[in-house]
Amino acid sequence: NAGVTQTPKFRVLKTGQSMTLLCAQDMNHEYMYWYRQDPGMGLRLIHYSVGEGTTAKGEVPDGYNVSRLKKQNFLLGLESAAPSQTSVYFCASSWRGESYNEQFFGPGTRLTVL
Amino acid sequence: DAKTTQPNSMESNEEEPVHLPCNHSTISGTDYIHWYRQLPSQGPEYVIHGLTSNVNNRMASLAIAEDRKSSTLILHRATLRDAAVYYCILRDVERDYGQNFVFGPGTRLSVLP
Repeated sequence: NAGVTQTPKFRVLKTGQSMTLLCAQDMNHEYMYWYRQDPGMGLRLIHYSVGEGTTAKGEVPDGYNVSRLKKQNFLLGLESAAPSQTSVYFCASSWRGESYNEQFFGPGTRLTVL
Repeated sequence: DAKTTQPNSMESNEEEPVHLPCNHSTISGTDYIHWYRQLPSQGPEYVIHGLTSNVNNRMASLAIAEDRKSSTLILHRATLRDAAVYYCILRDVERDYGQNFVFGPGTRLSVLP
């Protein structure tokens, strides 16, 4: 089992460019999440999905879009990157959403927007 | 929202036990207490969780106060690999179903050789 994988691991963008981050999980989990982590801070939720074809906004959704066309994949898009989106992005998944379910995290994508 | 308070940082010597405290005075009866840790340059990883009773697993133990207003993560013998940021998180199915874990700043644990 690979668990949760993220591509790419690193990326540098110029302001206004677009990109898509890919998250994949092989655990047949229903729920998937995208977080961002800024230096010295905890994680903040961007968007999440409770199943294939469904997405919802988290705490900091502005400037991002997501899609969950396949159960195992969760894509995070930046349509017009801004320097404020420089961050480390983590994807996570969980079996379901109950309070006792643990979340499994990917290794992260370090994004720099110049 | 139920919140947690943790010390910013702690130090431990290698092979000694470590007790990481967490205060959650506004915890509700249905809040689960979760602990995650984040090793340098990695994503968070699950450590342990509990509701009312103390819990043990291969990584750690979780001691929950009788009134549930505080808890302690216990690493029985710290190793250098345990140096990480430890997050104490409350999660309530009624409030948080399907949504995020709220990660605060956590406690940065340093392990000295």
